[in-house]
Amino acid sequence: AQSVTQLGSHVSVSEGALVLLRCNYSSSVPPYLFWYVQYPNQGLQLLLKYTSAATLVKGINGFEAEFKKSETSFHLTKPSAHMSDAAEYFCAVSGLTGANNLFFGTGTRLTVIP
Amino acid sequence: DGGITQSPKYLFRKEGQNVTLSCEQNLNHDAMYWYRQDPGQGLRLIYYSQIVNDFQKGDIAEGYSVSREKKESFPLTVTSAQKNPTAFYLCASSQGYGNQPQHFGDGTRLSIL
Repeated sequence: AQSVTQLGSHVSVSEGALVLLRCNYSSSVPPYLFWYVQYPNQGLQLLLKYTSAATLVKGINGFEAEFKKSETSFHLTKPSAHMSDAAEYFCAVSGLTGANNLFFGTGTRLTVIP
Repeated sequence: DGGITQSPKYLFRKEGQNVTLSCEQNLNHDAMYWYRQDPGQGLRLIYYSQIVNDFQKGDIAEGYSVSREKKESFPLTVTSAQKNPTAFYLCASSQGYGNQPQHFGDGTRLSIL
């Protein structure tokens, strides 16, 4: 079975500071991992995905994530936060078995302080 | 541009009433999904469909129904049996399995009158 845990439902950073959003996964098969961003009253937009190629994945808007199998982690980072990064971020996992069902974490709301 | 269109954006339901949320995609994706989003709970899968005329229950299917008569359309009906329907509903689609990301619509917010 697949699942993800996002540590910290709320994260606040100052503009220009490092953004670190944590995600740990559980999967009985080699996982595919995704990060999505959601702005208020909108759907989810894909930031990046890990599909067993490079362990360091670069996404849109300057975000990247590193797959660490030994730590079962897929943390999302950005070197310098912008005000426009304020949103809710979801980590998700799917496996090789069955349909392309995603299992989502409960989300982390990022606040950027000017 | 290809994408997923959900309508309406806001919907109100009276007690004992069924309501239908529309989801249309022009991405030529085989699979479509419905999620329910509540504050602090992330997204929970209601129903999904991998091909036309076939669909499967997700984690919280009780009180909901779907149909998949056309590849591009996957409407969700919230029935009167769903006692707590107030939520944000998201439709998604994807091509293939596992390593293919899901693409999302902008959602429908359902409230009870």
